[in-house]
Amino acid sequence: GQSLEQPSEVTAVEGAIVQINCTYQTSGFYGLSWYQQHDGGAPTFLSYNALDGLEETGRFSSFLSRSDSYGYLLLQELQMKDSASYFCAVSRGGRGSTLGRLYFGRGTQLTVWP
Amino acid sequence: SAVISQKPSRDICQRGTSLTIQCQVDSQVTMMFWYRQQPGQSLTLIATANQGSEATYESGFVIDKFPISRPNLTFSTLTVSNMSPEDSSIYLCSVPTSGASDTQYFGPGTRLTVL
Repeated sequence: GQSLEQPSEVTAVEGAIVQINCTYQTSGFYGLSWYQQHDGGAPTFLSYNALDGLEETGRFSSFLSRSDSYGYLLLQELQMKDSASYFCAVSRGGRGSTLGRLYFGRGTQLTVWP
Repeated sequence: SAVISQKPSRDICQRGTSLTIQCQVDSQVTMMFWYRQQPGQSLTLIATANQGSEATYESGFVIDKFPISRPNLTFSTLTVSNMSPEDSSIYLCSVPTSGASDTQYFGPGTRLTVL
């Protein structure tokens, strides 16, 4: 099986920086990805790490440490529209095998205040 | 990016009945996935829909309860059988963001309420 831990709630003000942590336990770890979900909406892909280090995509960055089974999503220059749930997800297996199967954390509700 | 549609977008069903949810993608994909998201909860993988072979189910999910079809590379259905109120959830299909990717595009979901 697998388990992922992330904070249930985070609050911040517009313009601030917030970091959402995710620790995981799983066999056959392949990669860690992050998804955003607004109320009533579908999850949308934000960022992905298969190797240690930082991946930057605009205002969003994601970090992975495979040795620590830990990653985080960093959101900069927060905007009101960033208020949403953020999920980390692990993928297991390698290319050509069980690729694409995602196992999600419980999600972090981010509230951005004006 | 792939465009994914699901039908129906929502439904209210009676206990003991079955509902078939359709997922259509605008491009051919090898794998499609079905997830469930119970109210206020995270997403749970139900099964992988493989074209030309039987679906692969995750632990806790069985074919008799959630039969899946995958007749071609752009379409899949998930049936929720003999429904109970505990099946009230959002059901989402997803496809890889690229051919060899383990990141996903998700469909808009089907919101199911079982009375």
